[in-house]
Amino acid sequence: DAGVTQSPTHLIKTRGQHVTLRCSPISGHKSVSWYQQVLGQGPQFIFQYYEKEERGRGNFPDRFSARQFPNYSSELNVNALLLGDSALYLCASSLFRTGGGKNIQYFGAGTRLSVL
Amino acid sequence: GIQVEQSPPDLILQEGANSTLRCNFSDSVNNLQWFHQNPWGQLINLFYIPSGTKQNGRLSATTVATERYSLLYISSSQTTDSGVYFCAVSSGSARQLTFGSGTQLTVLP
Repeated sequence: DAGVTQSPTHLIKTRGQHVTLRCSPISGHKSVSWYQQVLGQGPQFIFQYYEKEERGRGNFPDRFSARQFPNYSSELNVNALLLGDSALYLCASSLFRTGGGKNIQYFGAGTRLSVL
Repeated sequence: GIQVEQSPPDLILQEGANSTLRCNFSDSVNNLQWFHQNPWGQLINLFYIPSGTKQNGRLSATTVATERYSLLYISSSQTTDSGVYFCAVSSGSARQLTFGSGTQLTVLP
């Protein structure tokens, strides 16, 4: 079975540009979360989507937006790129059990974004 | 929000040695996961362990939820164990994970 897939693997942009990152969750998983990992730090939560609705948002500016499609895949969009947006962007999928129980998150290999 | 602290930040071992990594968290948790991040950035799931003890080969983990800490044990370390180990938790109604700053493990041949 395929794991979480992300595209592209690497991306180089210049300041002020816009970028779209894509994620396909594990088959059967309905929740997708996005994380940003800058060099030397742990991943930071950006967004979580479940059934196409935003279920959580981290402390990121409005330049960051996301959406989830009917097939549960997701896009992360970042506008007006800054040098500080250079990072590894990770996508995670989970079953999102609303009634409790295991809610294990599985991560993709990430998209490495460089802003010049 | 919940705080996660990992120690030590760096650990250098000779192949064959054992090690213990610690994760302290500031509130009760409903999810605790340990990950190994390889040099290419992939986060590999090691354990889902909000409480109790689990073992998987040379790795084992224990979470004492009442005392708000978790330990990851690596026995007979190998060079392929090198990388960054992260602890991540979620609490309350939040489903997102809060990560610690990681432990950089280097295993020397």
